[in-house]
Amino acid sequence: EAGVAQSPRYKIIEKRQSVAFWCNPISGHATLYWYQQILGQGPKLLIQFQNNGVVDDSQLPKDRFSAERLKGVDSTLKIQPAKLEDSAVYLCASSLEFLGTEAFFGQGTRLTVV
Amino acid sequence: AQSVTQLGSHVSVSEGALVLLRCNYSSSVPPYLFWYVQYPNQGLQLLLKYTSAATLVKGINGFEAEFKKSETSFHLTKPSAHMSDAAEYFCAVKSNFGNEKLTFGTGTRLTIIP
Repeated sequence: EAGVAQSPRYKIIEKRQSVAFWCNPISGHATLYWYQQILGQGPKLLIQFQNNGVVDDSQLPKDRFSAERLKGVDSTLKIQPAKLEDSAVYLCASSLEFLGTEAFFGQGTRLTVV
Repeated sequence: AQSVTQLGSHVSVSEGALVLLRCNYSSSVPPYLFWYVQYPNQGLQLLLKYTSAATLVKGINGFEAEFKKSETSFHLTKPSAHMSDAAEYFCAVKSNFGNEKLTFGTGTRLTIIP
């Protein structure tokens, strides 16, 4: 079974530029998560989708971050404009929609804003 | 809202010694609980999960955890540490109702001393 795919693995941009990350979840997984993991910290949930609807985006900085999940499958996370404090690893995860199921994670995208 | 607290951001043990990583949860109802491991430059990998069945849960790589409702704890243990266990470990909680938000602790970095 293929895992969660993310691209790119690494990205370096200057502040005020824009950047986009892509995630392809495991086939059949209705729930998709985007997490931000700053160095030395635990993952922080940015947004959670159930199929193509947003379930939770309470910690998404909506003035600069946006995310969409097209047709309930792939998802993109965008930052525009980027700030230095956005430097982090962005993790995508997916899970079945049944209660108690675990989330499967991709390898993440490491973003460095200079 | 549910949350988890990991006591000890860094833990060092000698090779062959007992590993004990602490996690306490806060939830109004018994939640689902998970332990994940993260190796450098990798995503998160599930070690084990508690979903209200047996309170003693066995996972991969010889790890196990015990759910104790009276102590609101879900500590991770391994009888004998191996060098390959050196990694970052995260406890996570998921509600058993509602939107199934998956919330992580701040992590514990485990170092194995030869």
